[in-house]
Amino acid sequence: DIVMTQGALPNPVPSGESVSITCRSSKSLLYSDGKTYLNWYLQRPGQSPQLLIYWMSTRASGVSDRFSGSGSGTDFTLKISGVEAEDVGVYYCQQGLEFPLTFGSGTKLEIK
Amino acid sequence: EVQLVESGGGLVQPGRSLKLSCAASGFTFSNYYMAWVRQAPKKGLEWVATISTSGSRTYYPDSVKGRFTISRDNAKSSLYLQMNSLKSEDTATYYCARQTRPNLFDYWGQGVMVTVSS
Repeated sequence: DIVMTQGALPNPVPSGESVSITCRSSKSLLYSDGKTYLNWYLQRPGQSPQLLIYWMSTRASGVSDRFSGSGSGTDFTLKISGVEAEDVGVYYCQQGLEFPLTFGSGTKLEIK
Repeated sequence: EVQLVESGGGLVQPGRSLKLSCAASGFTFSNYYMAWVRQAPKKGLEWVATISTSGSRTYYPDSVKGRFTISRDNAKSSLYLQMNSLKSEDTATYYCARQTRPNLFDYWGQGVMVTVSS
């Protein structure tokens, strides 16, 4: 199984600051079609998860351009430029390359 | 508007069975893979099952393989999860999710709680 490992944030983060959330996979998520099968989600307190980023760097419909994804085949970053109160929650990375589909353990973002 | 509404959760004793349902609307259900994802209390997300558009292919992690069965009724736009031989570690909120290429979950239900306890 592909193991997804996420880093932590130095919470709480001052409002307006930019943060980077890291995620690492135990296997390259770069597929032969040239796309990297890495997705990001945000789960706000008390809510269901919502899709933010797919194919490592493509924003989902309606997602703010303050969110951007980047990385290589195994190391990934979700950057939030200028955090706002609505960004509070837990961020998860997930690999879509192969079954079993696996998530990272989550990275909590708190804002000061 | 895409809507996914789960039902069927509750308290069940270890070793017993429970069946979850998910009613879908706002999209052509038969065109999409569907999935169940769960979240134990205060824990992260765990993928539980995926079913193809026709229902001919299903996928499970080892943690539930042989105990859980995912199914669908395209005529009713409904997704199901039959859970047998339940264990305390199956206690979680279960989310119904629409799954699209590239194996992502683009819409989620509000979740239904399953508690396995004597």
